[in-house]
Amino acid sequence: DVKVTQSSRYLVKRTGEKVFLECVQDMDHENMFWYRQDPGLGLRLIYFSYDVKMKEKGDIPEGYSVSREKKERFSLILESASTNQTSMYLCASSYGQGATYGYTFGSGTRLTVV
Amino acid sequence: EDQVTQSPEALRLQEGESSSLNCSYTVSGLRGLFWYRQDPGKGPEFLFTLYSAGEEKEKERLKATLTKKESFLHITAPKPEDSATYLCAVLRIGGATNKLIFGTGTLLAVQP
Repeated sequence: DVKVTQSSRYLVKRTGEKVFLECVQDMDHENMFWYRQDPGLGLRLIYFSYDVKMKEKGDIPEGYSVSREKKERFSLILESASTNQTSMYLCASSYGQGATYGYTFGSGTRLTVV
Repeated sequence: EDQVTQSPEALRLQEGESSSLNCSYTVSGLRGLFWYRQDPGKGPEFLFTLYSAGEEKEKERLKATLTKKESFLHITAPKPEDSATYLCAVLRIGGATNKLIFGTGTLLAVQP
């Protein structure tokens, strides 16, 4: 089975901290994605990467950046955490254009910014 | 603009009481409609992909159908273990790669 692993299940950070969320996939997928999930708003795409060192903004990139130095690893960076970034963060990966099985998701990181 | 709307937001059923969840979409050129199941505190888990109007797919007590404007997830004789949030998504074409656009989900609770 394809596995997408997110390094932390729960994180608590202080306002203004720089926060790194890590995601690793083990099936050589080209594409990796970061979503955040909030009640009533569903999953919203933050950033995605279609190749090593290649990235594109999603629908809500403000306050975030990403890094993909290796094919299997995709990091989401909160440059200066704020309370409105408290959310569930989900990483996903896909092969090709994702038209058969969509994405494979990790278990999520619940981030609380205090 | 691509949009996915799910209804109802929440649904409570008795065990064995069949029902349907709705997903309506507007997208320029459907390349796939996806159903996922999400349990509390976990990531979404893939259920089905539908590609064209009239297509149907089944898995245990779940059956997904697709028309030109909406998809239904039919749940027949549900059990408490079917309780979860069910998410619908469409594939947005364009850019460097296609991207899934999600609805807000339907929270299903099945009571014994």
